[in-house]
Amino acid sequence: KAGVTQTPRYLIKTRGQQVTLSCSPISGHRSVSWYQQTPGQGLQFLFEYFSETQRNKGNFPGRFSGRQFSNSRSEMNVSTLELGDSALYLCASSLTGLAGDSTDTQYFGPGTRLTVL
Amino acid sequence: AQSVTQLGSHVSVSEGALVLLRCNYSSSVPPYLFWYVQYPNQGLQLLLKYTTGATLVKGINGFEAEFKKSETSFHLTKPSAHMSDAAEYFCAVEGGSQGNLIFGKGTKLSVKP
Repeated sequence: KAGVTQTPRYLIKTRGQQVTLSCSPISGHRSVSWYQQTPGQGLQFLFEYFSETQRNKGNFPGRFSGRQFSNSRSEMNVSTLELGDSALYLCASSLTGLAGDSTDTQYFGPGTRLTVL
Repeated sequence: AQSVTQLGSHVSVSEGALVLLRCNYSSSVPPYLFWYVQYPNQGLQLLLKYTTGATLVKGINGFEAEFKKSETSFHLTKPSAHMSDAAEYFCAVEGGSQGNLIFGKGTKLSVKP
């Protein structure tokens, strides 16, 4: 079974631009979560999508948004980029999104490294 | 609210020595706990997880972790370190809401020859 894939793997943008990152989950997984990883803040939850609906959102400004398509693929968008948005963005997929399901697990993709200049 | 504390941002061991990475959690409900490993420039790979049942959990690559409710701990161990174990290790607890894992700050493991 193919794992979680993320594209692109690397991105360089300048302040003020916007960016779209893509995530393809493991086949059959309907939940996709996004995380931001930085040296200072560590791994922080951005949001989670299930069946094309955002069910949960972390504490990030509205510049960070996402969506999920009917095939469970997900995109996240960051508008008006700031220097502090430079990070590794990780996508994780699971069957149900955990939430008390002891049989479920999140599997992570390799990440997209975004550099904002 | 759930939280995770990993003691020691850097741990260094000699090849063949015991690996012990510490994790303490705070959770208002019975926790689901995870250990992930991250190699340079890669995503997170699941090592093992605890949900219910046996408190000693065996994972991949010879790692295991023991859930101790009385100590709110979930420490990761490996009897004999290998050079290939050098990586960053993250302990996580399910955040109690959909799709949300709460991670510790991570522990970078170095293995000396």
